[in-house]
Amino acid sequence: DTEVTQTPKHLVMGMTNKKSLKCEQHMGHRAMYWYKQKAKKPPELMFVYSYEKLSINESVPSRFSPECPNSSLLNLHLHALQPEDSALYLCASSSQGMNTEAFFGQGTRLTVV
Amino acid sequence: AQSVTQLGSHVSVSEGALVLLRCNYSSSVPPYLFWYVQYPNQGLQLLLKYTTGATLVKGINGFEAEFKKSETSFHLTKPSAHMSDAAEYFCAVSDLGTGGFKTIFGAGTRLFVKA
Repeated sequence: DTEVTQTPKHLVMGMTNKKSLKCEQHMGHRAMYWYKQKAKKPPELMFVYSYEKLSINESVPSRFSPECPNSSLLNLHLHALQPEDSALYLCASSSQGMNTEAFFGQGTRLTVV
Repeated sequence: AQSVTQLGSHVSVSEGALVLLRCNYSSSVPPYLFWYVQYPNQGLQLLLKYTTGATLVKGINGFEAEFKKSETSFHLTKPSAHMSDAAEYFCAVSDLGTGGFKTIFGAGTRLFVKA
């Protein structure tokens, strides 16, 4: 199984809502990532988890809160988002090491209204 | 920090023509380089990667790339374009920072294939 599964595929939320994005992989990867991608732009790294510990936070606003409950799951909790946070949110996983590629999920298309 | 630069935000080719997407890297150490493809509203899929060893790397869907250290390049080619190749292509490099490994992406090149 070389899949990274993200749910939901689409999400519309108001600026006062609280929602969560979910990501799951069963490849035994110990590194998991959240990326944000705006239209016609490359993915921007938000967070990296290594062995279930947050290792990189790219100065992401606190309205985005990541969580890694176990080695297969990664969540992104959303609260009080702004319309400019509307984007495609991609989850990825990889083995440890610079020579390893990342496996991406299909993404969650988030719209903040 | 390492980086990659993709030359040309858009490339248009006719079906059956050669595809050439350009990528140059900046790295003080031997780089680990990747090409990913993204179809509309989907995630990224690995086409190929260069780690060490053979400088000509073959990937999926008939794509290949050649690592040229003297030119700091890792251009992606395909001999004959197919309509299904129309997508966004990202060159990427692995970077090691204080928090661990991460992938640095180029700005992307949109490939258009004309019938």
